[in-house]
Amino acid sequence: QKEVEQDPGPLSVPEGAIVSLNCTYSNSAFQYFMWYRQYSRKGPELLMYTYSSGNKEDGRFTAQVDKSSKYISLFIRDSQPSDSATYLCAMSHTGGFKTIFGAGTRLFVKA
Amino acid sequence: ETGVTQTPRHLVMGMTNKKSLKCEQHLGHNAMYWYKQSAKKPLELMFVYSLEERVENNSVPSRFSPECPNSSHLFLHLHTLQPEDSALYLCASSQDGGPDTQYFGPGTRLTVL
Repeated sequence: QKEVEQDPGPLSVPEGAIVSLNCTYSNSAFQYFMWYRQYSRKGPELLMYTYSSGNKEDGRFTAQVDKSSKYISLFIRDSQPSDSATYLCAMSHTGGFKTIFGAGTRLFVKA
Repeated sequence: ETGVTQTPRHLVMGMTNKKSLKCEQHLGHNAMYWYKQSAKKPLELMFVYSLEERVENNSVPSRFSPECPNSSHLFLHLHTLQPEDSALYLCASSQDGGPDTQYFGPGTRLTVL
């Protein structure tokens, strides 16, 4: 079983839609949960991080962590064509340097 | 320059060549990372340096050799690579002791012929 599972998509939505991106994981020791956005021909860019369980909101983006289900989500409200990118979930435990990444979900937002 | 920079952005090399990838971070971080990104696969951690000491070496073949002369610079020396080593090589940095949030460079697209 992979430590982190993420549906690669592609996911195609119309402009203005609410987008839900998800990852599941198997290691209950993970404490930090991150979402990165990667545009074509660019490196990943940190969008949000959450420590332990709960929700975090930043503008149109909301990150949710459910540790009991080992499930994390990223919601994008009022999606824009500029949100078209690959979204990577990532997680790590306290201490150490190893972050485990999902394979990424490719998102297309159509104008 | 701001953030994390990488050179070259594109590299084509034969299997017998020797080349080096360079990374520089301008964020005052003290940890630096090399990752390999292949199509449809998760980012693969290769090496981590913290305070210029290598702290992770993720079973990477010896044809990849990292070097970290100071906390701002990181190199990846390449020799006798294989075609399956063709990928995007990403450098990242973070601040040790804080949340493990990494800042990435734009990557070097490597093609091995």
